[in-house]
Amino acid sequence: DADVTQTPRNRITKTGKRIMLECSQTKGHDRMYWYRQDPGLGLRLIYYSFDVKDINKGEISDGYSVSRQAQAKFSLSLESAIPNQTALYFCATSDPIFYEQYFGPGTRLTVT
Amino acid sequence: AQKITQTQPGMFVQEKEAVTLDCTYDTSDQSYGLFWYKQPSSGEMIFLIYQGSYDEQNATEGRYSLNFQKARKSANLVISASQLGDSAMYFCAMREGDGNNRKLIWGLGTSLAVNP
Repeated sequence: DADVTQTPRNRITKTGKRIMLECSQTKGHDRMYWYRQDPGLGLRLIYYSFDVKDINKGEISDGYSVSRQAQAKFSLSLESAIPNQTALYFCATSDPIFYEQYFGPGTRLTVT
Repeated sequence: AQKITQTQPGMFVQEKEAVTLDCTYDTSDQSYGLFWYKQPSSGEMIFLIYQGSYDEQNATEGRYSLNFQKARKSANLVISASQLGDSAMYFCAMREGDGNNRKLIWGLGTSLAVNP
């Protein structure tokens, strides 16, 4: 089984809808991240969490919110989706020493 | 200014040949780490190789090696004996900071196409 899982894998939604992307991990890592990837822009950090009580904004947090329900679960919400939030979204965890990031398979989100 | 620069948006290589993907970085930290990830067309991010700033030897993992030139602040990925399955996007990333200020900074990637 994959160490980091994301649901859903693909989602099409309409402008204005609320949507939640879920992430679970079995790595036992405290640190978890949400990134979005757009063509030509690389990976951009949305939010990160060092533990259940510690959540931090990344470089592009506007329009997003997160919830860290447990060490293993980190959810990303789009409160009112807009078309420019169409992207590939990755959840990741990192090991505490080298900081290697372990990625989920990604969620392709399309907002129409 | 970009902290991680990958100057080659696209690269081509013939199958079975070696290819070097460039990555330069900018940091004032003494302790940092450099990573390479592969992203095939299916989308997943695959960790390839890691180099710590204090590591004296260049990192190697199978056909992947990291040509680490600290004075030049470069961390180029070398893929030997290219295979068709190596066609993908390749991202260089740098870990800098310490404690809770640690973060990973990403380059924009290089697209590699391996020709048969």
